[in-house]
Amino acid sequence: RKEVEQDPGPFNVPEGATVAFNCTYSNSASQSFFWYRQDCRKEPKLLMSVYSSGNEDGRFTAQLNRASQYISLLIRDSKLSDSATYLCVVNSRAQKLVFGQGTRLTINP
Amino acid sequence: NAGVTQTPKFQVLKTGQSMTLQCAQDMNHNSMYWYRQDPGMGLRLIYYSASEGTTDKGEVPNGYNVSRLNKREFSLRLESAAPSQTSVYFCASSPRTGTMNTEAFFGQGTRLTVV
Repeated sequence: RKEVEQDPGPFNVPEGATVAFNCTYSNSASQSFFWYRQDCRKEPKLLMSVYSSGNEDGRFTAQLNRASQYISLLIRDSKLSDSATYLCVVNSRAQKLVFGQGTRLTINP
Repeated sequence: NAGVTQTPKFQVLKTGQSMTLQCAQDMNHNSMYWYRQDPGMGLRLIYYSASEGTTDKGEVPNGYNVSRLNKREFSLRLESAAPSQTSVYFCASSPRTGTMNTEAFFGQGTRLTVV
C-alpha cells in the first residue's frame, strides 16, 4: 500500500463550481501535512499547510482527520487559473516528505 | 533570490553512461531531497538527507547514489544510466522545527532522457 494515496482524476469542472479532493495516508505517526500545486512542466509549490483544526486561505479550505487518516482540500468558486495538479504531502516521523500521485484539475469556461 | 538551484536543466544520456545531478540551496535548510516524477506517478522519493552527513533511501533508490557534501549541496549520481531512469528529477530542501519538516522548496527540475 502506498504511504499517501490520492484520486488521480482528472476532475473537469465548470468555472465557479466547488470541487473537493481527498487524500489518505497510512502512517499514523505522520506529523505534518501539506497541499502543493503543480503547473504543467513546473516545480511543485506550496499551496497551504494543513492544521488539525482545519484552515482556510481565501477560496481554499484544508482539513485533517487524524482518526481516519485523511486530508481534504476544498476549492470554492473555482477559477480558470486553478487548473493544475494538486499534490497531497505528508511528513513522516522519519523526517521525509512523501507525495501522493497528484490530482489533475481542469476548470472549464 | 536563488533558493534551490539544480543543474543541468536538460540532459540526454546514452545507456550505460554516468552523470551527476547537482543541487544547491542557499536557505540554510537542514533537509534535502531528490525526487523523480514520471507521468501518472506523482513524485517518488529517491533519497533524502535529514542533515549534513546523513542520507537515507526513499521509495526508489535503486540505480542511484547520493552525496550530502555540506549543508548546501546534495548531489544525485547515476552510475550506469538505463532507459527506465528517463524522468524529471526534482531537488528540494526544507527547514526543520524539532522533528518536523516544514514547507519544501523545489528546484526547477532536470529533464533527463536516457536513450
